[in-house]
Amino acid sequence: DQQVKQNSPSLSVQEGRISILNCDYTNSMFDYFLWYKKYPAEGPTFLISISSIKDKNEDGRFTVFLNKSAKHLSLHIVPSQPGDSAVYFCAASGKFKSSGGSNYKLTFGKGTLLTVNP
Amino acid sequence: NAGVTQTPKFRVLKTGQSMTLLCAQDMNHEYMYWYRQDPGMGLRLIHYSVGEGTTAKGEVPDGYNVSRLKKQNFLLGLESAAPSQTSVYFCASSRTPSGGGTLAKNIQYFGAGTRLSVL
Repeated sequence: DQQVKQNSPSLSVQEGRISILNCDYTNSMFDYFLWYKKYPAEGPTFLISISSIKDKNEDGRFTVFLNKSAKHLSLHIVPSQPGDSAVYFCAASGKFKSSGGSNYKLTFGKGTLLTVNP
Repeated sequence: NAGVTQTPKFRVLKTGQSMTLLCAQDMNHEYMYWYRQDPGMGLRLIHYSVGEGTTAKGEVPDGYNVSRLKKQNFLLGLESAAPSQTSVYFCASSRTPSGGGTLAKNIQYFGAGTRLSVL
């Protein structure tokens, strides 16, 4: 049961243009959504987040949009730069029960490889 | 500021061997996590810890054990490695949120990963 889906394994854009990465989710109880960026041989790094009560959050060239009715979020990068080339993971925060009691965890999508061509 | 450090970076094991992966963080974070990432899949939570001396199971805990004897360290053990445990392992940490919010807890800071091959 894949609760967070990134249906595009890869995306290629030209430098200076907009990159749009998409993410769909199924669990309406998720309370925060996060985007992580991962370069080869490095761990994921936090990029931007949005609360489930918001519909937009902007940080410099990065904007995340949330459409709760469609259970869809997207990350816009404008303008795209070659240094943005990386794998982008969508993650959703939600409660789960385990041996440690109720806690919050991140559920990650499979990632989208973004390539920005000079 | 080192952040989250994982050792070793690479390891090759034979089936049935044991090993321990070490994660150390210098950010004084309460929460620590172990994930695995397999080709074409997102990160999956193996075990986590909400504080020194505590551990709990995540999504895929079978075949792994963990210990958090010190706040800054989180160890992941494989008692008898199997080829299905060939993966890239990531450790992460996060702080306790203030004011009841969950976002701070879920901005997780990751190590560079350990690539493990079990033959």
